[in-house]
Amino acid sequence: DAKTTQPTSMDCAEGRAANLPCNHSTISGNEYVYWYRQIHSQGPQYIIHGLKNNETNEMASLIITEDRKSSTLILPHATLRDTAVYYCIVRVGFRGSARQLTFGSGTQLTVLP
Amino acid sequence: DVKVTQSSRYLVKRTGEKVFLECVQDMDHENMFWYRQDPGLGLRLIYFSYDVKMKEKGDIPEGYSVSREKKERFSLILESASTNQTSMYLCASSERADGYTFGSGTRLTVV
Repeated sequence: DAKTTQPTSMDCAEGRAANLPCNHSTISGNEYVYWYRQIHSQGPQYIIHGLKNNETNEMASLIITEDRKSSTLILPHATLRDTAVYYCIVRVGFRGSARQLTFGSGTQLTVLP
Repeated sequence: DVKVTQSSRYLVKRTGEKVFLECVQDMDHENMFWYRQDPGLGLRLIYFSYDVKMKEKGDIPEGYSVSREKKERFSLILESASTNQTSMYLCASSERADGYTFGSGTRLTVV
């Protein structure tokens, strides 16, 4: 699975958009980009994933560059409850057999009042 | 919503005890995983299973074993607990290429 690079920490004002970048320059054509977050003392929570098209769900938007070497997770209106560590993970989507996630260090997002 | 339930939120055990951590998911997922999470080391995969009675070693299987007798249940076993197994243990399940759903975690302290 491709390696990812994320900033160690970021701050965002409450109510503003939080844009979390991720570099994955060695990504392969069949690898997906996944985002998870982990609020303190809880298990990681799945946010969104995509292959090459931009994706949006009720939690966030995922923007993947045309060359797929980087992506940005956007939380459109950050709240204090969005303070968490955000993980960007790149891996092959699988069929049938299990494929484990490899978590890096992630980005600590702090939403400020 | 998929629910992944871990039997205990906090657990304290003595060195040398046999410890069972239980995980149950309610959405008929094929794949289940056990991770441990330690400060500065992130999440590390211990074991995973992609079918009943099937198991695969992850990155740090030493000192652990697993059991998957039923599709919904995946148990992590510490055969003889040691203090270096004090950690947060996280169970997860998934279906094919979908996102993983994690349990709330079990914080195990071995004294």
